Amino acid sequence: GAGVSQTPSNKVTEKGKYVELRCDPISGHTALYWYRQSLGQGPEFLIYFQGTGAADDSGLPNDRFFAVRPEGSVSTLKIQRTERGDSAVYLCASSLSGGANTEAFFGQGTRLTVV
Amino acid sequence: GIQVEQSPPDLILQEGANSTLRCNFSDSVNNLQWFHQNPWGQLINLFYIPSGTKQNGRLSATTVATERYSLLYISSSQTTDSGVYFCAVEYTLVFGKGTKLTVNP
Repeated sequence: GAGVSQTPSNKVTEKGKYVELRCDPISGHTALYWYRQSLGQGPEFLIYFQGTGAADDSGLPNDRFFAVRPEGSVSTLKIQRTERGDSAVYLCASSLSGGANTEAFFGQGTRLTVV
Repeated sequence: GIQVEQSPPDLILQEGANSTLRCNFSDSVNNLQWFHQNPWGQLINLFYIPSGTKQNGRLSATTVATERYSLLYISSSQTTDSGVYFCAVEYTLVFGKGTKLTVNP
């Protein structure tokens, strides 16, 4: 597509529920990144995919968070047993090749609210 | 891990004024980007600038990699420049806390 697309734009869920957030990267971009942004803070890195594989998942806060990219394009961020502290804007970005010397472009984000 | 510090944290300008935003980082980097986050939350790419100087209209940026800092210059500011400006480094994009810019008419 023309830009990075994230769905849904807003998600409200109850504490303890499972949620999935979707990211559709720019066509042809092999690298895909997930970030979390809390109010008043900069985005915080969660995970980086190169193709289908997670090249760096060091930012995932705990084992309730998981992400997949089975065909090397669309990615889904999955959060189990949601907690109120998971409320944030989740941002996805993609870049042409990943690694150094590569420019990343962001989607509009999914605002997750856990009540 | 690498640390990114941005200054000032807040900046209020009158329309037409010029400003300089600074980004310091704690280690050498081979990737640096500047973003503008608009009031709707969208991160807009301003510059990909791991080193050197670039200009785009009223905006320009300079990165001195050997001294571990980057500067973003905004000239003749407009109300639409308001928002938060972020610097991010490395391929995983480690972000600073941003500079919140408010341009008053």
